[in-house]
Amino acid sequence: GENVEQHPSTLSVQEGDSAVIKCTYSDSASNYFPWYKQELGKRPQLIIDIRSNVGEKKDQRIAVTLNKTAKHFSLHITETQPEDSAVYFCAASTYGGSQGNLIFGKGTKLSVKP
Amino acid sequence: ETGVTQTPRHLVMGMTNKKSLKCEQHLGHNAMYWYKQSAKKPLELMFVYNFKEQTENNSVPSRFSPECPNSSHLFLHLHTLQPEDSALYLCASSLMTDSYEQYFGPGTRLTVT
Repeated sequence: GENVEQHPSTLSVQEGDSAVIKCTYSDSASNYFPWYKQELGKRPQLIIDIRSNVGEKKDQRIAVTLNKTAKHFSLHITETQPEDSAVYFCAASTYGGSQGNLIFGKGTKLSVKP
Repeated sequence: ETGVTQTPRHLVMGMTNKKSLKCEQHLGHNAMYWYKQSAKKPLELMFVYNFKEQTENNSVPSRFSPECPNSSHLFLHLHTLQPEDSALYLCASSLMTDSYEQYFGPGTRLTVT
């Protein structure tokens, strides 16, 4: 089955700096890669996702890149702000498969210092 | 945020008790999920239901018993739990199981004494 590794487990940056979180996956059939943000005491929420037919996707200060050959994908946050502080989870699944369940990484706790 | 609701929000139970967690989604979705969130395993999938049928049981102990009477409601029946079962239990739903965005509920914080 699919296995998703996420690094780093914790990340501390100064406000205005960039943050990068990296994930690797094991199942070459995986083709859908969402990122979820979970603020303290709140539920996880989707912030961006990418499918395997594209290599990069941007949404304002957030971008995700995908390298299918190397089986890794990354979340990039530019011009970080204190409200970006949260736990970020990457996930992978197989679109169109009989079991499209999301397999999550263990999360990265991002702290943005003002 | 009222798309996916969970009750109760907090639950303290003894190891011999029987309790149930409830999840309801108002999004017209067909798939529902139970996750366990703890410090050890941040988002651990437990069960998946698609059109009321269970499609995934991620080797969950039988002291956890799910029930999905319709596509809008999901229950998790608990009995003879262990202290290590203390965690946040999150419900989620999606249009289908097939790689659509999952919407999470606020969770039930369970403490087993």
